[in-house]
Amino acid sequence: GAGVSQSPSNKVTEKGKDVELRCDPISGHTALYWYRQSLGQGLEFLIYFQGNSAPDKSGLPSDRFSAERTGGSVSTLTIQRTQQEDSAVYLCASSLGGKDREQYFGPGTRLTVT
Amino acid sequence: SQQGEEDPQALSIQEGENATMNCSYKTSINNLQWYRQNSGRGLVHLILIRSNEREKHSGRLRVTLDTSKKSSSLLITASRAADTASYFCATDQGGSEKLVFGKGTKLTVNP
Repeated sequence: GAGVSQSPSNKVTEKGKDVELRCDPISGHTALYWYRQSLGQGLEFLIYFQGNSAPDKSGLPSDRFSAERTGGSVSTLTIQRTQQEDSAVYLCASSLGGKDREQYFGPGTRLTVT
Repeated sequence: SQQGEEDPQALSIQEGENATMNCSYKTSINNLQWYRQNSGRGLVHLILIRSNEREKHSGRLRVTLDTSKKSSSLLITASRAADTASYFCATDQGGSEKLVFGKGTKLTVNP
């Protein structure tokens, strides 16, 4: 079956603009995660959705970052008023949820803020 | 913040040799996972070891876990050029489903 897909694969934007990154998880996976990977910070957790529960937003670096998950499937990560330090690869993952589950990662979106 | 810390940061070996990477972590865990990443993009899950397990095998991979030392090792036997990648350990921080990743080991296998 299809894996986790993300779009766009690359995004170049000007500082101050808003961007939206999309993630399509594996069908049937109830848990969805966003991570960010940058040279200086490594792989960082951003936000996690599990079913109908309130998302765990503890990793979002500022209030410019938000995410939603519609219908328990597709998720959109929005970054408002982008800054150069937001440049990174944004990775989405999904899993069946629950304890001891492996996460399946998408190919990522490389965001460059100029 | 990064919990797992892998060492070495970089490892270069010849094809056919074994590669050992280590990971240390700080808090209690339910499980520890190893992932591989090629070319700085998507991660591929390799193996998950639970906190009550000490060793696990999958093909040419062998993972050990020592919860008393808060450390794990990943051994790749009979390495191949295709094993060239970055390897990350990730922990669940005692039941949280969000993963905390180490900074990774960059493995180069020379043909």
